[in-house]
Amino acid sequence: LAKTTQPISMDSYEGQEVNITCSHNNIATNDYITWYQQFPSQGPRFIIQGYKTKVTNEVASLFIPADRKSSTLSLPRVSLSDTAVYYCLVGERDDKIIFGKGTRLHILP
Amino acid sequence: DSGVTQTPKHLITATGQRVTLRCSPRSGDLSVYWYQQSLDQGLQFLIQYYNGEERAKGNILERFSAQQFPDLHSELNLSSLELGDSALYFCASAGHGTEAFFGQGTRLTVV
Repeated sequence: LAKTTQPISMDSYEGQEVNITCSHNNIATNDYITWYQQFPSQGPRFIIQGYKTKVTNEVASLFIPADRKSSTLSLPRVSLSDTAVYYCLVGERDDKIIFGKGTRLHILP
Repeated sequence: DSGVTQTPKHLITATGQRVTLRCSPRSGDLSVYWYQQSLDQGLQFLIQYYNGEERAKGNILERFSAQQFPDLHSELNLSSLELGDSALYFCASAGHGTEAFFGQGTRLTVV
């Protein structure tokens, strides 16, 4: 499984756009990039998944450069309720899902 | 609501005891995953089942075992419990090629 590296923590303010970058230098050809969000004492929740270029859904965008060695999760206009831990995962679909330490995002008023 | 149901929500038991945690996956999902999350710790992958068969194993202790039944529900058995086993235990399910959906977890407290 490709190892991922992401910032341990980030602070931002309400209304700002937040970008969290994840590094995955040894990503394999069949690997997808997936992001999950977790609130305290709750199970993780899927945010977005992509393979290359850009993916957008109603909550976030995922930017993946051509070499796929990194990816950036973009959260538009964050609110206090976006305070959570965000996990970047890399792996094949249907494979075991391994979580790293994630990025603890703290949104300030 | 993720569609994944875990029971019980809370469990308090004594050291040395054995408990069973239950997970009902989303309808149609064949994969079930189990995770352990201790206080302020990351999600530790324990084991994955796919359509009744063990598919992948993580850092699961020998005192722990799991199975997935023909109706696809899964159970995680924890025996000879120690204080350090106190944690949130999450179950997740996934369909073929889909993202995983997590349950609300079972909070286990060993006293």
